[in-house]
Amino acid sequence: EIVLTQSPGTLSLSPGERTTLSCRASQSISSRCLAWYQQKPGQAPRLLIYGASSRATGIPDRFSGSGSGTDFTLTISRLEPEDFAVYYCQHYGYSPPFTFGPGTRVDI
Amino acid sequence: EMQLVESGGGLVQSGGSLRLSCAASGFTFSAYSMNWVRQAPGKGLEWVSYISSSSRTIYFADSVRGRFTISRDNAKNSLYLQMNSLRDEDTAIYYCATDYRELAIDCWGQGTLVTVSS
Repeated sequence: EIVLTQSPGTLSLSPGERTTLSCRASQSISSRCLAWYQQKPGQAPRLLIYGASSRATGIPDRFSGSGSGTDFTLTISRLEPEDFAVYYCQHYGYSPPFTFGPGTRVDI
Repeated sequence: EMQLVESGGGLVQSGGSLRLSCAASGFTFSAYSMNWVRQAPGKGLEWVSYISSSSRTIYFADSVRGRFTISRDNAKNSLYLQMNSLRDEDTAIYYCATDYRELAIDCWGQGTLVTVSS
């Protein structure tokens, strides 16, 4: 089973700042199998990034993903007020279980 | 517009059973693999189960294998999760969600709350 670790657990930032969220896998995974989601309180998650670096439909270009092997990152180039949320990475596809990381909370 | 609506959640005693349903609309349900994902109150996301479009391929998380069954009825545009031998730790919001090209989980329902009480 692939275990995903996300860091930091919480980030306290201001609108306009740039931030990078980390997701580390317990073993090397294909970049194709790494996705990122955003979840706001009381809402279902929303797909942001798939295949480590491809933005999902309708996702602003201030969100970008990168990485390979065991280390992946989600970068938000300039935080907007609506970006304050919890972000999860997930290993998905090919080999179950399709585990999620514990999440990173981005707070104002 | 793709839409998923879960139902069937509620309060159940430990050891009991519950069947969740997910009604799909706005897309060709029979062409999509589907997932169930849950979230315990105040906790993170946990993937539960996957079923391919034809029902030929099914996966479960270790935490539910042997207790939960996933199925679908493509003629009724519906996905199901039969949950047996429920435990306190199964308490969560259960989301149904579409697979996106075997790369990610794409469209999510609003979720249905399952509360298991001992």
